[in-house]
Amino acid sequence: NAGVTQTPKFQVLKTGQSMTLQCAQDMNHNSMYWYQQDPGMGLRLIYYSASEGTTDKGEVPNGYNVSRLNKREFSLRLESAAPSQTSVYFCASSQERDFYEQYFGPGTRLTVT
Amino acid sequence: KQEVTQIPAALSVPEGENLVLNCSFTDSAIYNLQWFRQDPGKGLTSLLLIQSSQREQTSGRLNASLDKSSGRSTLYIAASQPGDSATYLCALEYGNKLVFGAGTILRVKS
Repeated sequence: NAGVTQTPKFQVLKTGQSMTLQCAQDMNHNSMYWYQQDPGMGLRLIYYSASEGTTDKGEVPNGYNVSRLNKREFSLRLESAAPSQTSVYFCASSQERDFYEQYFGPGTRLTVT
Repeated sequence: KQEVTQIPAALSVPEGENLVLNCSFTDSAIYNLQWFRQDPGKGLTSLLLIQSSQREQTSGRLNASLDKSSGRSTLYIAASQPGDSATYLCALEYGNKLVFGAGTILRVKS
């Protein structure tokens, strides 16, 4: 039982490049989330998926797109990376949207130069 | 808009000391509150979840309380150990999303 896994763990991009961050959970959770964490700040919600086939914007969605591929997988895509998107990205999952404990992946550290 | 503040921002204590971490929020219309631990370079680990109908939760040396009317939650750590060194974050469910505080960086010296 791996919980929530994220790939890659580290990534360096040049401005304008695109990439997809992958997230998978093996807990049969319905809801999945993508968060952004900047130094000295709390996590901010980018997008979430309350259930398979649905996605909704969070607090800071601009510059990102998501896909809930199936119940297990939820990906985050940066279409044209900008230095302001340098951050740590966390994926999380929970049994329901309204509200059970959220379980977090180890994070992806992204640097955009 | 909900704002979450954690005080202090950083704390350094000798091993064995009891300590309190504070989390305050501006709008009491929250559902649940969760305390997390984050180790350097790692993800978040859930410590305690206080549901809206509860006032406190305990797990081992940890006790968390919630007072929605005053907009406060506290995390009490008894007999601190060097292994408790980490960043502690509180997060509350508000308006169908989790709102996080910036965290308290705790260092327990041996």
